[in-house]
Amino acid sequence: GIQVEQSPPDLILQEGANSTLRCNFSDSVNNLQWFHQNPWGQLINLFYIPSGTKQNGRLSATTVATERYSLLYISSSQTTDSGVYFCAVSAGNMLTFGGGTRLMVKP
Amino acid sequence: DAGVTQSPTHLIKTRGQQVTLRCSPKSGHDTVSWYQQALGQGPQFIFQYYEEEERQRGNFPDRFSGHQFPNYSSELNVNALLLGDSALYLCASSSIYRGYNSPLHFGNGTRLTVT
Repeated sequence: GIQVEQSPPDLILQEGANSTLRCNFSDSVNNLQWFHQNPWGQLINLFYIPSGTKQNGRLSATTVATERYSLLYISSSQTTDSGVYFCAVSAGNMLTFGGGTRLMVKP
Repeated sequence: DAGVTQSPTHLIKTRGQQVTLRCSPKSGHDTVSWYQQALGQGPQFIFQYYEEEERQRGNFPDRFSGHQFPNYSSELNVNALLLGDSALYLCASSSIYRGYNSPLHFGNGTRLTVT
């Protein structure tokens, strides 16, 4: 099956800082999604981005499908950005999740 | 427009018991997938239902079974519960387009504790 690796595994930021999260995957995919899981376990859709670049407020994402990686950019981080960020990919119907990046934003 | 809803939110069971978790998909979605998330890990795919049939299954034993109803809602059943089944169970819905899933939308999950 597809392997998904996320880096870094843990990240601590001061409020206002910028960060880049990376997701590498081992095979061609037709679906790539970024999620934010809050401390209550809720998985929030951030981006559906099998290729190209998208922006939503302070967040943006880029997927380079030919090189099998995706990047999630967080600018001007806020304490509410804390949580776990997951990248998930599929080549069919089954989403395979990476191990996540645990982000803590300090005030 | 209601999103994906799951019930119950929390559940405590004893080893050997059976449990049923429920999921209603987002309006307009026809496909339901179930995931298990152990503490500190990413969600793992259990199975997917479409047109009331199991479409794909992950690496889970037969103790895990499911069902999809004509209104697209779904149930996840786990028999002979083990301590290791303690986890957050997430339901996701999507719609099939050209044979593949649209983006998945997740419910808030059911937290199962087996004692």
